[in-house]
Amino acid sequence: AQSVTQPDIHITVSEGASLELRCNYSYGATPYLFWYVQSPGQGLQLLLKYFSGDTLVQGIKGFEAEFKRSQSSFNLRKPSVHWSDAAEYFCAVGARGGGGNKLTFGTGTQLKVEL
Amino acid sequence: GAVVSQHPSRVICKSGTSVKIECRSLDFQATTMFWYRQFPKQSLMLMATSNEGSKATYEQGVEKDKFLINHASLTLSTLTVTSAHPEDSSFYICSARTGLVTDEQFFGPGTRLTVL
Repeated sequence: AQSVTQPDIHITVSEGASLELRCNYSYGATPYLFWYVQSPGQGLQLLLKYFSGDTLVQGIKGFEAEFKRSQSSFNLRKPSVHWSDAAEYFCAVGARGGGGNKLTFGTGTQLKVEL
Repeated sequence: GAVVSQHPSRVICKSGTSVKIECRSLDFQATTMFWYRQFPKQSLMLMATSNEGSKATYEQGVEKDKFLINHASLTLSTLTVTSAHPEDSSFYICSARTGLVTDEQFFGPGTRLTVL
C-alpha cells in the first residue's frame, strides 16, 4: 500500500526567505507525485505534479519540487516566500495503473509566514 | 483549467435527517469521481471512488449504507449522508478526473456539513 509522510506539521518562515517542505513516500514502483495547497475552508489547488521525465518539476506560484528516487522524496521548494503563501500544503502519491489513480495524502504542513 | 463545483458549500441539518451533496465537473467529462472527508486540521481521507454508471467502491471502514454515492452522469456525482449524526460533521471534498492515465484530479471547493 502507498503512504506519504510529511514530517513537519508546522513551519514558520519570514517573508522573502526560502522554503522547503519535506515529503517522503512509500510505493512499490515509480509513483505519480503531487503537491497541493489548501487555504482555510477551501478545496485543494494543484501546485505541481510529477509523472515521469525530468525529476525537477516547476509549478505555479514559483514553486518547484524534485523527485529523488533514492531517497523516496519529493520536497517542495520556493526561493522567496510571500505572505500570501501561508496555507496548508499537502503532498500526495497516486497509484499507477488501475484504481483510477487513487491518491493518498500526507498529513499536511501548515505554513506560517512572518512579515 | 478544469473546474469542479460542489453544492451546497455549507449545510446545517438536524440529527437523523439526510443530506445530499452534489459534485459537478463543469467543463469536462469525469469518468471517475472521488469523495474525501477532512476533519479539522487533518488530512483528506478517501471515502469512495465512483465511476460513471457503476457502483461506487468504498474504502475500508466507510459505511456504504450511510454514505450513498451516485454517479449518474459524466458530470455529476452525489453523496448522500443518511440519518446524519453529529459525528458526521466534517468537510467533504470531491474530485474528478478524466479517463486519461496521467490525468490529475481536479478538486471541488468542499462542503462544510454541520449536524446538530
